[in-house]
Amino acid sequence: SAVISQKPSRDICQRGTSLTIQCQVDSQVTMMFWYRQQPGQSLTLIATANQGSEATYESGFVIDKFPISRPNLTFSTLTVSNMSPEDSSIYLCSLSRGGTDTQYFGPGTRLTVL
Amino acid sequence: KQEVTQIPAALSVPEGENLVLNCSFTDSAIYNLQWFRQDPGKGLTSLLLIQSSQREQTSGRLNASLDKSSGRSTLYIAASQPGDSATYLCAVRSSNAGNMLTFGGGTRLMVKP
Repeated sequence: SAVISQKPSRDICQRGTSLTIQCQVDSQVTMMFWYRQQPGQSLTLIATANQGSEATYESGFVIDKFPISRPNLTFSTLTVSNMSPEDSSIYLCSLSRGGTDTQYFGPGTRLTVL
Repeated sequence: KQEVTQIPAALSVPEGENLVLNCSFTDSAIYNLQWFRQDPGKGLTSLLLIQSSQREQTSGRLNASLDKSSGRSTLYIAASQPGDSATYLCAVRSSNAGNMLTFGGGTRLMVKP
């Protein structure tokens, strides 16, 4: 199993501001992932964050909007920049210890943009 | 492109019933399939992982089956309880998509006391 914590657990933000979400895991892991879950929807992968390299973004997501840091093997941040109400979602950090192993998820950050 | 569908989208049953949740996927080139539970506003809890070479996995009252050739998986919940009320998501890890997980839309389950 894996212990994943996220901060903040929830936030209400104003349009045009930015929020940085932190993800901490209990042991070293190579691959970390950031997902978005819009209201009433399933999960969509934003990007894969590997330590020591630039994050790889999925179609529809760009670094300017969702910059990611991965300073070490137990920590990552996702920033939601220049927010609009359409960014209101749950953002989830995730990891997989092996390439095809069980995927684990953090508790999520519930973001509301006014 | 892998597509994952879950039927039904919502299900309401009385306590004690056995029930089946369905998941189908379009590309059978998968490494594994994982079932998750999500409580409202919360993260995902992994329930069962079935590797592509396996037919089923069991954990307590949960049993998940996989028929890779037909692109189907089922999650069987025995003797349902109100505490089972949650959204159940299946996700497929595709070997043709860089090991990426593709999620279904989920089944929202309500077990009534």
